[in-house]
Amino acid sequence: ETGVTQTPRHLVMGMTNKKSLKCEQHLGHNAMYWYKQSAKKPLELMFVYSLEERVENNSVPSRFSPECPNSSHLFLHLHTLQPEDSALYLCASSQERGSTGELFFGEGSRLTVL
Amino acid sequence: AQSVTQPDIHITVSEGASLELRCNYSYGATPYLFWYVQSPGQGLQLLLKYFSGDTLVQGIKGFEAEFKRSQSSFNLRKPSVHWSDAAEYFCAVGAGEYGNKLVFGAGTILRVKS
Repeated sequence: ETGVTQTPRHLVMGMTNKKSLKCEQHLGHNAMYWYKQSAKKPLELMFVYSLEERVENNSVPSRFSPECPNSSHLFLHLHTLQPEDSALYLCASSQERGSTGELFFGEGSRLTVL
Repeated sequence: AQSVTQPDIHITVSEGASLELRCNYSYGATPYLFWYVQSPGQGLQLLLKYFSGDTLVQGIKGFEAEFKRSQSSFNLRKPSVHWSDAAEYFCAVGAGEYGNKLVFGAGTILRVKS
């Protein structure tokens, strides 16, 4: 198993659809993250979960709804998205407290909103 | 607020030539600094990191970076580039108590010509 696994790798959805992105980490970490990578823009931190509690929400629209049921899994629920939400969504994990904070990334989920 | 600037959007070097990718950061405290690499269709892979101590840090794949506090820089270098190094490179500064709230630069795309 690779360290951080994201599914699906590609997703096409209409603006009225509801879908979810899934992330699973096998590294024993206690923090997980969602980043958005759009063309010609720096990576944007969306959400941070530490010990399954959301500790950061960087002014992300409510049409993105994260869920962290346990320390190994992270979801991003999507509904009524806009075409400008098309991007690569990257999940990452790290070990907080006692480590040096480096993030381990998954390969991303490429989202296209029609 | 912390920020990262990568002044070069694209760089092209010949195979076997040396490489330097520039990174400047803005952060009030002692920074945690990272370089990540992203190949097409892939997630981000950590090349190296700086937290404290020796200002010249060695990473994977023959890369190194030097932290210069006086210049707020953390430039990435490689003495001899291989065709497989063609990718996008991201510099990041880690904020927060554990340095895990990464703020990324816009990235530099490296092209290698044979």
